[in-house]
Amino acid sequence: GAGVSQSPSNKVTEKGKDVELRCDPISGHTALYWYRQSLGQGLEFLIYFQGNSAPDKSGLPSDRFSAERTGGSVSTLTIQRTQQEDSAVYLCASSSTQGVTEAFFGQGTRLTVV
Amino acid sequence: QKEVEQNSGPLSVPEGAIASLNCTYSDRGSQSFFWYRQYSGKSPELIMFIYSNGDKEDGRFTAQLNKASQYVSLLIRDSQPSDSATYLCAGGNTGNQFYFGTGTSLTVIP
Repeated sequence: GAGVSQSPSNKVTEKGKDVELRCDPISGHTALYWYRQSLGQGLEFLIYFQGNSAPDKSGLPSDRFSAERTGGSVSTLTIQRTQQEDSAVYLCASSSTQGVTEAFFGQGTRLTVV
Repeated sequence: QKEVEQNSGPLSVPEGAIASLNCTYSDRGSQSFFWYRQYSGKSPELIMFIYSNGDKEDGRFTAQLNKASQYVSLLIRDSQPSDSATYLCAGGNTGNQFYFGTGTSLTVIP
């Protein structure tokens, strides 16, 4: 696609429910990143994919968080048993790996856990 | 641990002045550096990237890189109220991993 697409744009869920957030990167981009941004805060790194593999999962805050990427394209971030502190904007970005590259961001998913 | 550090601010400058934003990084393996601008409620968007020591100019923006000091800066000349945003510095290494700073909030006062 023309840009990084994330869905849903907004998600309100009840505490304890599971949620899935989707990211569709720019076509041909092999690198994909998930970040979390709480209100007024900076970007918190969650996980990085190179193709379908995740060389760096160090940012996942707990075992309730998992992510996968299939076919080297779409990625899903799953949060199990959501807690109120999970409320944030979840941003996905993708980049090429050729030369000096930049990360292009999607518009994010605003997650609210009530 | 790979880190990029920024002064969170807030930084306030009068309209027409030069705004100076600074960033330091700890990973000497970082090869490229990026400045992103993020308006409130929006996603970050790239302003400039730099990977060679020295200055790189693009319009009112100048990025500066000093690899010996592990220091990156962004200068905004003739600051405008529309420049008011949070500016994020990021470093990238050969593995294409990006490390973002926490951002500096800039307000340009008319």
